[in-house]
Amino acid sequence: GDSVTQMEGPVTLSEEAFLTINCTYTATGYPSLFWYVQYPGEGLQLLLKATKADDKGSNKGFEATYRKETTSFHLEKGSVQVSDSAVYFCAPSSYNTDKLIFGTGTRLQVFP
Amino acid sequence: DAMVIQNPRYQVTQFGKPVTLSCSQTLNHNVMYWYQQKSSQAPKLLFHYYDKDFNNEADTPDNFQSRRPNTSFCFLDIRSPGLGDAAMYLCATSRGGTLNEQFFGPGTRLTVL
Repeated sequence: GDSVTQMEGPVTLSEEAFLTINCTYTATGYPSLFWYVQYPGEGLQLLLKATKADDKGSNKGFEATYRKETTSFHLEKGSVQVSDSAVYFCAPSSYNTDKLIFGTGTRLQVFP
Repeated sequence: DAMVIQNPRYQVTQFGKPVTLSCSQTLNHNVMYWYQQKSSQAPKLLFHYYDKDFNNEADTPDNFQSRRPNTSFCFLDIRSPGLGDAAMYLCATSRGGTLNEQFFGPGTRLTVL
């Protein structure tokens, strides 16, 4: 069945460091791919998305490219800030449904 | 601003005492979802509505029920809460289909005493 694998956290970085959070998936067909962010005590917010192969989603300095050949959607940011500390969820869409498949989430901690 | 609203943000109930959580949306989306999220875990889909069509996940306990009286509102009823039902409950909406993202509310944190 469809599934998603995210790198385990926590990821601990100093401010201005480069961030990569890996995400790979198995899916039927060609899913849309989403990254969501969850700040403490809040709901999930869409960070970025890509709906077809080679699309690059970007927002707030974060980027991710839809890699069909490697079934990956890795999240990157060139220079993280303390305010980026949160949990990040990779979520491909489920084939022919209205549902998302959530990864386990990766906690990012950024220190000054 | 169009949004997803959940009330209350914090709910305390007693073991076995029925509780209802509410969600409303101003986005006019077809699909509404209820998720359960426990600490340090991914959200777990309980059920969703496409318009009035109800879709239950196979592993959602019978203790959890839902109502969607109109497009804007959706309710989660927990008939007899147990200690294991303490969690964050998230409501989300979408236009449906695989291209469209889900929009989440802020969540209701449920405590069971």
